[in-house]
Amino acid sequence: TQTVSQSDAHVTVFEGDSVELRCNYSYGGSIYLSWYIQHHGRGLQFLLKYYSGNPVVQGVNGFEAEFSKSDSSFHLRKASVHWSDSAVYFCAASIRTQVVGQLTFGSGTRLQVYA
Amino acid sequence: ETAVFQTPNYHVTQVGNEVSFNCKQTLGHDTMYWYKQDSKKLLKIMFSYNNKQLIVNETVPRRFSPQSSDKAHLNLRIKSVEPEDSAVYLCASSSPGQSSYEQYFGPGTRLTVL
Repeated sequence: TQTVSQSDAHVTVFEGDSVELRCNYSYGGSIYLSWYIQHHGRGLQFLLKYYSGNPVVQGVNGFEAEFSKSDSSFHLRKASVHWSDSAVYFCAASIRTQVVGQLTFGSGTRLQVYA
Repeated sequence: ETAVFQTPNYHVTQVGNEVSFNCKQTLGHDTMYWYKQDSKKLLKIMFSYNNKQLIVNETVPRRFSPQSSDKAHLNLRIKSVEPEDSAVYLCASSSPGQSSYEQYFGPGTRLTVL
């Protein structure tokens, strides 16, 4: 089984700051990694994913993430945050050999952006 | 733009009652899922289902069961609710293959068991 850990429960920044949300995984085989965002009272929205190729992947709204096999990480970054980026961010992993994409989620990081 | 619809938004019931939650997706996807999100925002997969396979998370109690009439609908029935079932239940859908790891979620149904 794979596990996903997000070490920061809360991150607070000001508008215009850069931010990095950390995600580490543990699994020995091929794995898909993704990030989702959940605004208050809403469902999750897909941001980006990685499964092979360029380790830096671009997502919506200026988000990007970088895969590192050596660090077992898939950190999410944004160069300049907006107050509307305030939400809970979930990192997710899935084993490639699975028939259907069952996601294992991290515990989430709540990002608070102050104007 | 919402493409995965869930009803009801909220449901309050008493221990021992039966409840059923509906989910419909208009994306043409062939795989649907149910997740449980607890009060600490932790998400756990409960079921994943397409026309070929139902995968049940082994930790899901037997009082939970998915019900599908076609590939656009996957409902969730709880036979006799318990207090620990209080949570938000999220439905999702995806395309097959690699795209199954890009899932589209509904807004959730919040269940409160008194």
